[in-house]
Amino acid sequence: DQQVKQNSPSLSVQEGRISILNCDYTNSMFDYFLWYKKYPAEGPTFLISISSIKDKNEDGRFTVFLNKSAKHLSLHIVPSQPGDSAVYFCAASAGAGAGSYQLTFGKGTKLSVIP
Amino acid sequence: DAMVIQNPRYQVTQFGKPVTLSCSQTLNHNVMYWYQQKSSQAPKLLFHYYDKDFNNEADTPDNFQSRRPNTSFCFLDIRSPGLGDAAMYLCATSGGAGGPQYFGPGTRLLVL
Repeated sequence: DQQVKQNSPSLSVQEGRISILNCDYTNSMFDYFLWYKKYPAEGPTFLISISSIKDKNEDGRFTVFLNKSAKHLSLHIVPSQPGDSAVYFCAASAGAGAGSYQLTFGKGTKLSVIP
Repeated sequence: DAMVIQNPRYQVTQFGKPVTLSCSQTLNHNVMYWYQQKSSQAPKLLFHYYDKDFNNEADTPDNFQSRRPNTSFCFLDIRSPGLGDAAMYLCATSGGAGGPQYFGPGTRLLVL
């Protein structure tokens, strides 16, 4: 049972435009959410995170939005650059205790930014 | 630069021949993790250490073992690799619970 879902395996965006990557989750215990970027033959790189007490977190060109009622989060990249082309993973963790060490990942969305 | 290092980057082993993957970190983080990632799938947590306290995920096969001799190093031992164990193995660290995990570049394991 996939608790974190990224329903779009791939996304193509023109350079300079906005990229929007989406993620849905089913476990209502999740309260911390992260986005990772992964280039081929490299490990995931942490991008940005958001706690469930917030609905938005911004870091430069990257903004994550969280809609708890819909169990949905999204990553906005503005403006998109060719170097943003990578696989983006959504991940979530739950509360305090043992569950907070486990990150549950989605399967990833491959973003291609076209020059 | 503080980082997570994995060696080797590529490992080829034979069916049933034990193999050890290594991870080291200069972040001085308390927690170290091992993930398995197969092609087009999400990374899957195998186990983690909080300091020397070992925590195994319920569905991690017994074939996978781990050692953490000190804060900086962690090893993944695969006692009898099968063809289904071919994957990318990712090491990660974090300063504690509820925060981001920082990943190494991974070791690609091929089982012949």
